[in-house]
Amino acid sequence: KAGVTQTPRYLIKTRGQQVTLSCSPISGHRSVSWYQQTPGQGLQFLFEYFSETQRNKGNFPGRFSGRQFSNSRSEMNVSTLELGDSALYLCASSLGGGADTQYFGPGTRLTVL
Amino acid sequence: AQSVTQLDSQVPVFEEAPVELRCNYSSSVSVYLFWYVQYPNQGLQLLLKYLSGSTLVKGINGFEAEFNKSQTSFHLRKPSVHISDTAEYFCAVSQGGSQGNLIFGKGTKLSVKP
Repeated sequence: KAGVTQTPRYLIKTRGQQVTLSCSPISGHRSVSWYQQTPGQGLQFLFEYFSETQRNKGNFPGRFSGRQFSNSRSEMNVSTLELGDSALYLCASSLGGGADTQYFGPGTRLTVL
Repeated sequence: AQSVTQLDSQVPVFEEAPVELRCNYSSSVSVYLFWYVQYPNQGLQLLLKYLSGSTLVKGINGFEAEFNKSQTSFHLRKPSVHISDTAEYFCAVSQGGSQGNLIFGKGTKLSVKP
């Protein structure tokens, strides 16, 4: 079975721009979660989608948004980029329950200049 | 609110020595507990998880962890480490039910020296 894939792997943007990151989950997984990883704040939960609906949301501003498609693929969007948005963005997929293992993709490294 | 504390940000150890990476959590409800490993420039890989039952959980690569409810701890151990175990290790909790989000600790960087 193919693992979780994320595209692109690396991205450089400038302040004020917007960016869209993509995540393809493991086949059969209906839940996709997004996390932001930075040296200062560590791993922080952004949001989770399950069957095209946002089920959980972390404590991030509204500039961070996401969606999930009928094939479970997910995208996250960050508008009006700030320098502090530079991070590794990780996507994880699972069957959907809290006890289910989340399988992580390799991440997208976003640099905001 | 749930939180996870990893007591050591860095742990240096010599090859073939035992190691313990400490993790404490706080939660007012039952939780599921996980340990993940992250190698440089990669995503996270699950080492092991505790859902219920036996408090001693065995994982991949010779790692094990013990769930201690009274001390709210879930420490990770390995009796003999290898150079290839050099990585960052994250402890995480999930509230369970339909909550698919993980709360992570800040991570512990394990450095194995020859």
